[in-house]
Amino acid sequence: AQKITQTQPGMFVQEKEAVTLDCTYDTSDPSYGLFWYKQPSSGEMIFLIYQGSYDQQNATEGRYSLNFQKARKSANLVISASQLGDSAMYFCAMRGANTGNQFYFGTGTSLTVIP
Amino acid sequence: DVKVTQSSRYLVKRTGEKVFLECVQDMDHENMFWYRQDPGLGLRLIYFSYDVKMKEKGDIPEGYSVSREKKERFSLILESASTNQTSMYLCASSLVASYNEQFFGPGTRLTVL
Repeated sequence: AQKITQTQPGMFVQEKEAVTLDCTYDTSDPSYGLFWYKQPSSGEMIFLIYQGSYDQQNATEGRYSLNFQKARKSANLVISASQLGDSAMYFCAMRGANTGNQFYFGTGTSLTVIP
Repeated sequence: DVKVTQSSRYLVKRTGEKVFLECVQDMDHENMFWYRQDPGLGLRLIYFSYDVKMKEKGDIPEGYSVSREKKERFSLILESASTNQTSMYLCASSLVASYNEQFFGPGTRLTVL
């Protein structure tokens, strides 16, 4: 069974500070992809970053990086130098090579950036 | 630019009505998905389709059906709307390989009175 767990319903961070959003996963698939999405209050889902299970290096996209620890089955999102516009819901998702058509989402973390 | 569009941003319907939610993508994606999003529950998969006329049930298919007659269009149908189907509905599409992300539409906020 595939499962994504996000244990932080809500997080606060001071502007310009870094913040880590936790994500753990469970899968029997030997090959899989991990994704993070941002959902602002307007509702659209914005793709942020991808990590493949066989990637040797942690993924980075601008201020976003993914702290991938395969043995611990964790894929935490790190946002550096937080901005007010980072306030949003963040979802972690997984897609397995053997269940390639389906994505599995966590319940999300609501991030609030404080000026 | 990649695009997924949904027929309505906001919709208000009455209990017992038949409701159609339309989704169109212009990226020639094989896979299309319908999710329901409720506070604290994240995104729950209702149905997905991996090809024209093909569909598979997700986690919560009860009370819903889908139609995919053309590759670019995926419709969600509420046969007889009920108040517990009041929710945000998100459509998404993707390519097949596991390293491809999903692209989402703007969502339809459905209220059933």
